[in-house]
Amino acid sequence: DGGITQSPKYLFRKEGQNVTLSCEQNLNHDAMYWYRQDPGQGLRLIYYSQIVNDFQKGDIAEGYSVSREKKESFPLTVTSAQKNPTAFYLCASRLSGTDTQYFGPGTRLTVL
Amino acid sequence: DQQVKQNSPSLSVQEGRISILNCDYTNSMFDYFLWYKKYPAEGPTFLISISSIKDKNEDGRFTVFLNKSAKHLSLHIVPSQPGDSAVYFCAASSRTSGTYKYIFGTGTRLKVLA
Repeated sequence: DGGITQSPKYLFRKEGQNVTLSCEQNLNHDAMYWYRQDPGQGLRLIYYSQIVNDFQKGDIAEGYSVSREKKESFPLTVTSAQKNPTAFYLCASRLSGTDTQYFGPGTRLTVL
Repeated sequence: DQQVKQNSPSLSVQEGRISILNCDYTNSMFDYFLWYKKYPAEGPTFLISISSIKDKNEDGRFTVFLNKSAKHLSLHIVPSQPGDSAVYFCAASSRTSGTYKYIFGTGTRLKVLA
């Protein structure tokens, strides 16, 4: 079954700790994206990657980091520098030459 | 600065009637628009899209209309069904920029009443 997975579904961390959110896809898509959703707000772009070993900052990249060492994987690290990390995080992938993004189920991160 | 706006946070419609969800944008460089549907605690799923060279695109019960001069698009759902109850996001991009970066609106929560 092709798809995009995010794990875990719920994540709790103490303030000041870095945490890495997983995103894996077996759709053979070149592009991958990380978004953040807060109550009453739309999806805001954190980072995106068009191809392996390349990524660009989105609109709210401060306090986050990513890597794209494999086509299938695009992990997001929420660092202690991110001032308001508690949010719902969504990963998406897209086939080159198309505009449709396929989203994972999301990870809800709560920082205590 | 919100480049894509969905000014109605929520909408309630009777089953069988038409649902109209609206979206406005400010960036004249946007030339491709998409609608996504999202259920709670799930990722959004693609619904329908439209290129700026068209003013209408239809797929079953879903039709998207684009008014470029007004920088406005709308999603029509006819007839509305209880399963359509979800949050709907519009998104815009500039294909000519080649960045494949998408700007999302804040979403409209649709409730279809049985």
